[in-house]
Amino acid sequence: ILNVEQSPQSLHVQEGDSTNFTCSFPSSNFYALHWYRWETAKSPEALFVMTLNGDEKKKGRISATLNTKEGYSYLYIKGSQPEDSATYLCAFRAGANNLFFGTGTRLTVIP
Amino acid sequence: DAGITQSPRHKVTETGTPVTLRCHQTENHRYMYWYRQDPGHGLRLIHYSYGVKDTDKGEVSDGYSVSRSKTEDFLLTLESATSSQTSVYFCAISFSGSVETQYFGPGTRLLVL
Repeated sequence: ILNVEQSPQSLHVQEGDSTNFTCSFPSSNFYALHWYRWETAKSPEALFVMTLNGDEKKKGRISATLNTKEGYSYLYIKGSQPEDSATYLCAFRAGANNLFFGTGTRLTVIP
Repeated sequence: DAGITQSPRHKVTETGTPVTLRCHQTENHRYMYWYRQDPGHGLRLIHYSYGVKDTDKGEVSDGYSVSRSKTEDFLLTLESATSSQTSVYFCAISFSGSVETQYFGPGTRLLVL
Protein backbone atom coordinates (compact mmCIF):
# COMPACT_ATOMS: atom_id res chain seq x y z
CA ILE A 1 0.00 0.00 0.00
CA LEU A 2 1.48 3.35 -1.05
CA ASN A 3 0.66 6.70 0.50
CA VAL A 4 -0.76 9.27 -1.90
CA GLU A 5 -1.72 12.55 -0.27
CA GLN A 6 -3.76 15.38 -1.66
CA SER A 7 -4.09 18.87 -0.25
CA PRO A 8 -6.13 20.68 0.59
CA GLN A 9 -8.97 18.29 1.34
CA SER A 10 -11.46 20.91 0.24
CA LEU A 11 -11.58 24.50 -0.85
CA HIS A 12 -14.06 27.12 -1.89
CA VAL A 13 -13.20 29.73 -4.49
CA GLN A 14 -15.09 32.53 -6.16
CA GLU A 15 -16.05 32.25 -9.79
CA GLY A 16 -13.23 33.65 -11.89
CA ASP A 17 -10.48 32.88 -9.36
CA SER A 18 -7.62 30.64 -10.31
CA THR A 19 -6.68 27.84 -7.98
CA ASN A 20 -4.32 24.94 -7.59
CA PHE A 21 -3.92 21.86 -5.47
CA THR A 22 -1.28 19.28 -4.76
CA CYS A 23 -0.78 15.56 -5.03
CA SER A 24 2.19 14.03 -3.18
CA PHE A 25 3.41 10.54 -3.89
CA PRO A 26 6.46 8.33 -3.28
CA SER A 27 9.39 9.47 -5.40
CA SER A 28 10.69 5.93 -5.91
CA ASN A 29 9.38 3.34 -8.37
CA PHE A 30 7.46 5.95 -10.30
CA TYR A 31 5.52 4.69 -13.29
CA ALA A 32 2.75 7.22 -13.94
CA LEU A 33 0.56 9.81 -12.28
CA HIS A 34 -3.12 10.14 -13.19
CA TRP A 35 -5.58 12.96 -12.51
CA TYR A 36 -9.34 12.40 -12.47
CA ARG A 37 -12.29 14.69 -12.07
CA TRP A 38 -15.20 13.28 -10.09
CA GLU A 39 -18.57 14.99 -10.02
CA THR A 40 -21.12 14.03 -7.41
CA ALA A 41 -23.31 11.08 -8.45
CA LYS A 42 -21.11 10.35 -11.45
CA SER A 43 -18.06 8.21 -12.05
CA PRO A 44 -14.46 9.50 -12.14
CA GLU A 45 -13.51 11.03 -15.47
CA ALA A 46 -9.91 10.93 -16.67
CA LEU A 47 -8.14 14.27 -17.05
CA PHE A 48 -4.46 13.50 -17.52
CA VAL A 49 -1.89 10.79 -17.30
CA MET A 50 1.71 11.89 -16.91
CA THR A 51 4.80 9.77 -17.06
CA LEU A 52 7.88 11.98 -17.40
CA ASN A 53 9.50 14.31 -14.91
CA GLY A 54 8.71 17.86 -15.97
CA ASP A 55 5.60 16.79 -17.90
CA GLU A 56 2.98 19.48 -18.32
CA LYS A 57 -0.49 18.72 -19.60
CA LYS A 58 -3.33 21.07 -20.46
CA LYS A 59 -7.02 20.63 -21.19
CA GLY A 60 -8.89 23.87 -21.60
CA ARG A 61 -8.52 25.86 -18.39
CA ILE A 62 -7.09 22.92 -16.46
CA SER A 63 -3.40 22.08 -16.46
CA ALA A 64 -1.07 19.86 -14.49
CA THR A 65 2.63 19.60 -13.81
CA LEU A 66 4.74 16.71 -12.58
CA ASN A 67 7.90 16.47 -10.49
CA THR A 68 8.84 12.81 -10.08
CA LYS A 69 12.14 13.53 -8.31
CA GLU A 70 10.46 15.23 -5.37
CA GLY A 71 7.19 13.33 -5.67
CA TYR A 72 4.50 15.88 -6.37
CA SER A 73 2.08 17.05 -9.01
CA TYR A 74 0.09 20.26 -9.17
CA LEU A 75 -3.30 20.71 -10.79
CA TYR A 76 -4.21 24.26 -11.82
CA ILE A 77 -7.58 25.65 -12.78
CA LYS A 78 -7.57 29.07 -14.40
CA GLY A 79 -10.65 31.26 -14.07
CA SER A 80 -12.76 28.76 -12.10
CA GLN A 81 -16.36 28.29 -13.16
CA PRO A 82 -19.23 26.73 -11.18
CA GLU A 83 -19.13 23.71 -13.48
CA ASP A 84 -15.58 23.03 -12.26
CA SER A 85 -17.01 22.09 -8.87
CA ALA A 86 -16.01 18.49 -8.31
CA THR A 87 -13.57 16.29 -6.45
CA TYR A 88 -10.20 16.05 -8.14
CA LEU A 89 -8.41 12.75 -7.60
CA CYS A 90 -4.84 11.86 -8.29
CA ALA A 91 -3.59 8.30 -8.58
CA PHE A 92 -0.04 7.02 -8.48
CA ARG A 93 1.05 4.02 -10.46
CA ALA A 94 4.09 2.19 -9.07
CA GLY A 95 3.92 -0.80 -11.35
CA ALA A 96 2.19 -2.07 -14.42
CA ASN A 97 -1.20 -2.64 -12.92
CA ASN A 98 -2.02 -1.03 -9.60
CA LEU A 99 -3.22 2.52 -9.13
CA PHE A 100 -3.12 4.03 -5.66
CA PHE A 101 -5.59 6.86 -5.24
CA GLY A 102 -5.50 9.88 -2.99
CA THR A 103 -8.63 10.91 -1.12
CA GLY A 104 -9.16 13.88 -3.41
CA THR A 105 -9.55 17.63 -3.21
CA ARG A 106 -13.17 18.78 -3.19
CA LEU A 107 -13.50 22.06 -5.07
CA THR A 108 -16.55 24.29 -4.77
CA VAL A 109 -16.76 27.31 -7.07
CA ILE A 110 -19.11 29.95 -5.74
CA PRO A 111 -20.99 31.94 -8.40
CA ASP B 1 -18.19 7.52 -22.66
CA ALA B 2 -16.62 4.13 -22.32
CA GLY B 3 -19.22 1.39 -22.59
CA ILE B 4 -19.22 0.15 -19.02
CA THR B 5 -22.30 -0.88 -17.11
CA GLN B 6 -22.65 -2.22 -13.59
CA SER B 7 -25.48 -4.20 -12.14
CA PRO B 8 -27.23 -3.87 -9.87
CA ARG B 9 -26.81 -0.15 -9.28
CA HIS B 10 -28.18 -0.38 -5.76
CA LYS B 11 -28.52 -3.34 -3.44
CA VAL B 12 -29.51 -3.89 0.16
CA THR B 13 -28.67 -7.26 1.65
CA GLU B 14 -28.29 -8.92 5.01
CA THR B 15 -25.14 -10.00 6.79
CA GLY B 16 -24.09 -13.49 5.82
CA THR B 17 -25.75 -13.60 2.42
CA PRO B 18 -23.77 -13.99 -0.81
CA VAL B 19 -23.76 -11.07 -3.22
CA THR B 20 -22.53 -10.86 -6.79
CA LEU B 21 -21.91 -7.61 -8.62
CA ARG B 22 -21.49 -7.56 -12.36
CA CYS B 23 -19.40 -5.33 -14.57
CA HIS B 24 -20.01 -5.45 -18.30
CA GLN B 25 -17.96 -3.67 -20.98
CA THR B 26 -18.42 -3.31 -24.70
CA GLU B 27 -14.94 -1.92 -25.39
CA ASN B 28 -13.06 -5.23 -25.64
CA HIS B 29 -10.49 -3.90 -23.14
CA ARG B 30 -8.18 -6.49 -21.70
CA TYR B 31 -7.93 -5.14 -18.15
CA MET B 32 -10.81 -4.85 -15.70
CA TYR B 33 -10.75 -3.71 -12.08
CA TRP B 34 -12.96 -3.62 -9.02
CA TYR B 35 -12.57 -0.78 -6.52
CA ARG B 36 -14.42 0.21 -3.39
CA GLN B 37 -14.88 3.79 -2.29
CA ASP B 38 -15.41 4.69 1.36
CA PRO B 39 -15.44 8.02 3.19
CA GLY B 40 -11.94 9.07 4.21
CA HIS B 41 -10.33 6.66 1.80
CA GLY B 42 -9.38 6.95 -1.81
CA LEU B 43 -10.58 4.38 -4.26
CA ARG B 44 -9.04 1.09 -3.18
CA LEU B 45 -8.37 -1.80 -5.51
CA ILE B 46 -10.06 -5.08 -4.60
CA HIS B 47 -9.16 -7.34 -7.52
CA TYR B 48 -8.24 -6.93 -11.13
CA SER B 49 -8.17 -9.06 -14.25
CA TYR B 50 -5.65 -8.97 -17.08
CA GLY B 51 -7.48 -11.41 -19.31
CA VAL B 52 -10.08 -14.15 -19.39
CA LYS B 53 -9.56 -16.34 -16.33
CA ASP B 54 -6.54 -14.25 -15.30
CA THR B 55 -7.07 -12.34 -12.07
CA ASP B 56 -5.01 -11.00 -9.21
CA LYS B 57 -5.55 -9.46 -5.80
CA GLY B 58 -5.51 -5.78 -4.96
CA GLU B 59 -4.90 -4.12 -1.63
CA VAL B 60 -8.27 -4.95 -0.01
CA SER B 61 -9.12 -8.39 -1.42
CA ASP B 62 -10.07 -10.20 1.81
CA GLY B 63 -13.70 -11.35 1.74
CA TYR B 64 -14.02 -10.94 -2.03
CA SER B 65 -13.59 -13.23 -5.00
CA VAL B 66 -13.79 -12.50 -8.72
CA SER B 67 -14.31 -14.35 -11.94
CA ARG B 68 -13.87 -13.52 -15.58
CA SER B 69 -15.12 -16.18 -17.96
CA LYS B 70 -15.36 -13.85 -20.96
CA THR B 71 -13.74 -10.59 -21.97
CA GLU B 72 -16.78 -8.44 -21.43
CA ASP B 73 -17.81 -9.54 -17.94
CA PHE B 74 -16.04 -9.27 -14.59
CA LEU B 75 -17.93 -10.51 -11.55
CA LEU B 76 -17.24 -9.55 -7.95
CA THR B 77 -18.60 -11.90 -5.28
CA LEU B 78 -18.96 -11.34 -1.58
CA GLU B 79 -19.22 -14.91 -0.35
CA SER B 80 -20.77 -13.92 2.98
CA ALA B 81 -21.46 -10.21 3.17
CA THR B 82 -20.48 -8.26 6.27
CA SER B 83 -21.42 -4.75 7.37
CA SER B 84 -17.83 -3.62 6.71
CA GLN B 85 -18.44 -4.32 3.04
CA THR B 86 -21.08 -1.61 2.85
CA SER B 87 -19.56 0.64 0.24
CA VAL B 88 -19.78 2.00 -3.26
CA TYR B 89 -18.17 -0.37 -5.73
CA PHE B 90 -16.70 0.86 -8.99
CA CYS B 91 -15.63 -1.18 -11.94
CA ALA B 92 -12.96 0.18 -14.27
CA ILE B 93 -11.42 -0.93 -17.54
CA SER B 94 -8.24 -0.15 -19.42
CA PHE B 95 -6.91 -1.19 -22.80
CA SER B 96 -3.59 -2.27 -21.31
CA GLY B 97 -2.17 -2.33 -17.82
CA SER B 98 0.73 0.03 -18.27
CA VAL B 99 0.15 3.79 -18.30
CA GLU B 100 -3.26 3.54 -19.88
CA THR B 101 -6.10 5.54 -18.40
CA GLN B 102 -8.70 3.58 -16.49
CA TYR B 103 -12.32 4.30 -17.38
CA PHE B 104 -14.87 3.90 -14.64
CA GLY B 105 -18.37 2.51 -14.55
CA PRO B 106 -21.29 4.25 -12.80
CA GLY B 107 -20.84 2.43 -9.48
CA THR B 108 -22.93 0.08 -7.35
CA ARG B 109 -24.09 1.20 -3.94
CA LEU B 110 -24.21 -1.77 -1.56
CA LEU B 111 -25.69 -1.69 1.91
CA VAL B 112 -25.18 -4.69 4.17
CA LEU B 113 -27.50 -4.70 7.17
